[in-house]
Amino acid sequence: SQQGEEDPQALSIQEGENATMNCSYKTSINNLQWYRQNSGRGLVHLILIRSNEREKHSGRLRVTLDTSKKSSSLLITASRAADTASYFCATDDPGGTSYGKLTFGQGTILTVHP
Amino acid sequence: GAVVSQHPSWVICKSGTSVKIECRSLDFQATTMFWYRQFPKQSLMLMATSNEGSKATYEQGVEKDKFLINHASLTLSTLTVTSAHPEDSSFYICSATHYNEQFFGPGTRLTVL
Repeated sequence: SQQGEEDPQALSIQEGENATMNCSYKTSINNLQWYRQNSGRGLVHLILIRSNEREKHSGRLRVTLDTSKKSSSLLITASRAADTASYFCATDDPGGTSYGKLTFGQGTILTVHP
Repeated sequence: GAVVSQHPSWVICKSGTSVKIECRSLDFQATTMFWYRQFPKQSLMLMATSNEGSKATYEQGVEKDKFLINHASLTLSTLTVTSAHPEDSSFYICSATHYNEQFFGPGTRLTVL
């Protein structure tokens, strides 16, 4: 089954606006991470939130985690054109034998218009 | 920070040939590396876990004889796509674990004609 489903699939906003992306997952986790991927490029790690944390901030990023609902959200405030990218959530596999194995959500394509 | 490189960054090959992709941890040792595949406008799907000195562990649905993984040293894992076909065209990304954090390579774009 697919872990980590995200919505919306695509989000188009104007510079200066806030962008909110949501991620849902199915199984228990130790942590959830958010990554950014510019078109055709590798992944950039944005933020990690542990299962015992509810909210975390990093610069213009705010991540929330609700383990009871198995969901997380990523908020980018005061968006910039340079924020245009795909954003993925990724969950770990606490029951697995390989530490570091991640399951990615489907991703949200964010377009910020100047 | 820890850096992971991949080589080549892109490759074009003819159908039926084999292609080798390298994943290197440049400034740290990684006993475990992971290989992901990403089709256009889709998410990353884990293909296999590469373990130094032992056989790779493949995810369900991934053909181990088609995607050969070798992790011969603590800084290098290779993925060989054997007898490549156009449907194997994809973006292949590796990651390596360092101090409980995953570091991703820049990816390799494979196009099979």
